[in-house]
Amino acid sequence: KAGVTQTPRYLIKTRGQQVTLSCSPISGHRSVSWYQQTPGQGLQFLFEYFSETQRNKGNFPGRFSGRQFSNSRSEMNVSTLELGDSALYLCASSTGLRPNEQFFGPGTRLTVL
Amino acid sequence: TQLLEQSPQFLSIQEGENLTVYCNSSSVFSSLQWYRQEPGEGPVLLVTVVTGGEVKKLKRLTFQFGDARKDSSLHITAAQPGDTGLYLCAAAERAGGTSYGKLTFGQGTILTVHP
Repeated sequence: KAGVTQTPRYLIKTRGQQVTLSCSPISGHRSVSWYQQTPGQGLQFLFEYFSETQRNKGNFPGRFSGRQFSNSRSEMNVSTLELGDSALYLCASSTGLRPNEQFFGPGTRLTVL
Repeated sequence: TQLLEQSPQFLSIQEGENLTVYCNSSSVFSSLQWYRQEPGEGPVLLVTVVTGGEVKKLKRLTFQFGDARKDSSLHITAAQPGDTGLYLCAAAERAGGTSYGKLTFGQGTILTVHP
């Protein structure tokens, strides 16, 4: 069974630009969650999509948005990039049911200059 | 406010030693997961504990969920260099809650095992 894939693996952008990250979950999984990981804040939850609907949202500004398609693939968008958005963005796939075991992709390393 | 307190933050030991990592909270959780992450990669799920007092073993790793489902520990016996990595505990929804799409992570424990 193929794991979670994320593209691209690395991105370099400049302040003010926008970026779109992509995640393909494990086949059969309907839930996709996004996390931001930084050395200072650790892993922080951004949002979760289940069957194309945002089911849960973390405490991030509106510049961070996402969506999920009918095939469960998900995209995350960050607009008006700031230096502080530099981080490893992780996508996690799960069935969406308790006990909510999540399987992570390798992440996208975003650097904002 | 950090919901999950993980300790210690750093652990540097010699091959063959034993170690324990702790994950504590004042909240009750429906389940708790442990992950291991290597540099440049995503976290890999090691185990999920659901029942208070539950103990699970994975080779040299022993995981325990507290009776009150507020805390957990990871014990590694005879650590090996291959155990080196970032260990993370993560809690699913609070007991009785509905936010089961979200995991709250501890700050992590960086383990280095020297040959």
